[in-house]
Amino acid sequence: DIEMTQSPSSLSAFVGDRVTITCQASHGIRNSLSWYQQTPGKAPKLLISDASNLENGVPSRFSGSGSGTDFSFTISSLQPEDIATYYCQQYYDLPHPTFGGGTKVEIK
Amino acid sequence: QVQLVQSGAEVKKPGASVKVSCKASGYTFIDQYIHWVRQAPGQGPEWIGWINPNSGVTNSAQKFQGRVTLSRDTFIRTAYMELTGLKSDDTAIYYCARDLLSTVVPSGIFGHWGQGTLITISS
Repeated sequence: DIEMTQSPSSLSAFVGDRVTITCQASHGIRNSLSWYQQTPGKAPKLLISDASNLENGVPSRFSGSGSGTDFSFTISSLQPEDIATYYCQQYYDLPHPTFGGGTKVEIK
Repeated sequence: QVQLVQSGAEVKKPGASVKVSCKASGYTFIDQYIHWVRQAPGQGPEWIGWINPNSGVTNSAQKFQGRVTLSRDTFIRTAYMELTGLKSDDTAIYYCARDLLSTVVPSGIFGHWGQGTLITISS
């Protein structure tokens, strides 16, 4: 299976800060990468697919980039409602989709 | 709107079996694959398997093969996941999720999720 490594595992930032999370795949996955947001007690929510394609209704402060093995996810201006754990997930290697370990985002 | 409503939490003893249901509404049930994903406490999600609701064809992760059965009832728009031989490390929240795309093969992108079902394994 392809291993997905996210960093950092947690971060703390001020409201309005730019926040970036990275995700590295153990093998090339082209752009077959999605990002999910999970708030406590809730199911994950799809934010981005195909590495950079924002889902309908997702605020434009969220963005994703990358291809191959290295990807990033950015919140351009952190808002209080963005407090959550974020996961990357590859779907290049089917039927073996795998998730990263998650990045917990908190407000300072 | 798309909704996936799962059955309630359960407590099971080691060695027992559990069957979780996932009732779909708001879209054509047979058009999109249903995936099952679990999340152990404090861990990232882990894919269990998928089912094609139209054909009933399934596929599951190797670690679950022999222990998991995925099925569906198209008449009541419901998918099921049964896990046997439960162990303490099967304690997790189990989610059903609809594939994002209506395609012959699944995309592997989880577009809509159920609310989750907590399965606790305890003697």
